[in-house]
Amino acid sequence: GAGVSQSPSNKVTEKGKDVELRCDPISGHTALYWYRQSLGQGLEFLIYFQGNSAPDKSGLPSDRFSAERTGGSVSTLTIQRTQQEDSAVYLCASSTSQGNQPQHFGDGTRLSIL
Amino acid sequence: GQQLNQSPQSMFIQEGEDVSMNCTSSSIFNTWLWYKQDPGEGPVLLIALYKAGELTSNGRLTAQFGITRKDSFLNISASIPSDVGIYFCAGQRGSGTYKYIFGTGTRLKVLA
Repeated sequence: GAGVSQSPSNKVTEKGKDVELRCDPISGHTALYWYRQSLGQGLEFLIYFQGNSAPDKSGLPSDRFSAERTGGSVSTLTIQRTQQEDSAVYLCASSTSQGNQPQHFGDGTRLSIL
Repeated sequence: GQQLNQSPQSMFIQEGEDVSMNCTSSSIFNTWLWYKQDPGEGPVLLIALYKAGELTSNGRLTAQFGITRKDSFLNISASIPSDVGIYFCAGQRGSGTYKYIFGTGTRLKVLA
């Protein structure tokens, strides 16, 4: 499809393990965002990529969280040494390069830490 | 992280009724967006607003960019069961500021 694609759709892992979440943005979109949505809550900004500029990591909750974006397209969010409080839905969104253009979201990865 | 004040938090309405929800901020925004999220899915864009006072419709949905630029409203007319879901507002402060701040969401349940 032409939308934002995220994988896996669901991930269950044991506390202490590392996880990688993938986001494939809409073709041609240079801006990419990661958000975290805890159960019944709104969206918490994590990190933003725009083209070749340095990413804005100001929303990452701890140094266990990191993200990269290779070739200006696909992005991977990595959580090391997962904790139970990391359980949430992780949403990725992309938009065109213009600052006020709406973000288009993927369906998210539901992460459960046992 | 920072979130916008959105109200009501939840509402139960009868099918056919009109719905109103709003989002307020202490800061001025230059762009307002409204999204709907169904269970297990990502938010889907409903309406985008770019100018103070702007009133934009999308089918039975109408949204307004508040004249003070500190609030926005979403109305749904003649609600139907498929309107159920969580509605989020999102605001952006202006040019050069790429971050959107999201509201806390309004959970809508429609009773047939």
